Amino acid sequence: EAGVAQSPRYKIIEKRQSVAFWCNPISGHATLYWYQQILGQGPKLLIQFQNNGVVDDSQLPKDRFSAERLKGVDSTLKIQPAKLEDSAVYLCASSYLLRQNVSGNTIYFGEGSWLTVV
Amino acid sequence: AQKVTQAQTEISVVEKEDVTLDCVYETRDTTYYLFWYKQPPSGELVFLIRRNSFDEQNEISGRYSWNFQKSTSSFNFTITASQVVDSAVYFCALSTRTYKYIFGTGTRLKVLA
Repeated sequence: EAGVAQSPRYKIIEKRQSVAFWCNPISGHATLYWYQQILGQGPKLLIQFQNNGVVDDSQLPKDRFSAERLKGVDSTLKIQPAKLEDSAVYLCASSYLLRQNVSGNTIYFGEGSWLTVV
Repeated sequence: AQKVTQAQTEISVVEKEDVTLDCVYETRDTTYYLFWYKQPPSGELVFLIRRNSFDEQNEISGRYSWNFQKSTSSFNFTITASQVVDSAVYFCALSTRTYKYIFGTGTRLKVLA
């Protein structure tokens, strides 16, 4: 079974530029997550989708970050304009979710997209 | 409040030694799930185990074992006869009804040959 696919793996941009990350979840997984992981810290949830609807985006900096999952499969996370503090690994993950607010489903991660803002 | 604490920032052991990674959690929910993930240098978080709050049985999988104790709110992870390939950052995570997933800050394990 193919895992969660992400691209690009690495990106270096200057501050105030924009960047987009793509994610393809595991086939059949209705729920998709974007996490931000700053060096030395644990992953922090940015946004969670159930099919193509947003379940939780409370920690997404909406003034510069946006995400979409138009057809309920692939997703794109965009940052515009980027700041130095956005340098991090952006992890996409997916899981089965039978209904909202079920908390015990195991989530599976991709290899991440490493962003450096200079 | 929901919280996961991994007090050990970094551990170094010599190959074949046993090592235990500590995880302490806080939650007021009676139903919750605990997880361990491994993050090798490549960056991907690899799922190792999931435990629900009603199942306190310890689990062993090869060289890995997990000790879940609700009385102390701990979910510790032991690697027996460690190997160089075990070198990675290990994360403990908590999932409850209110919050989705909360990760600890991770423990970096270095296994020296």
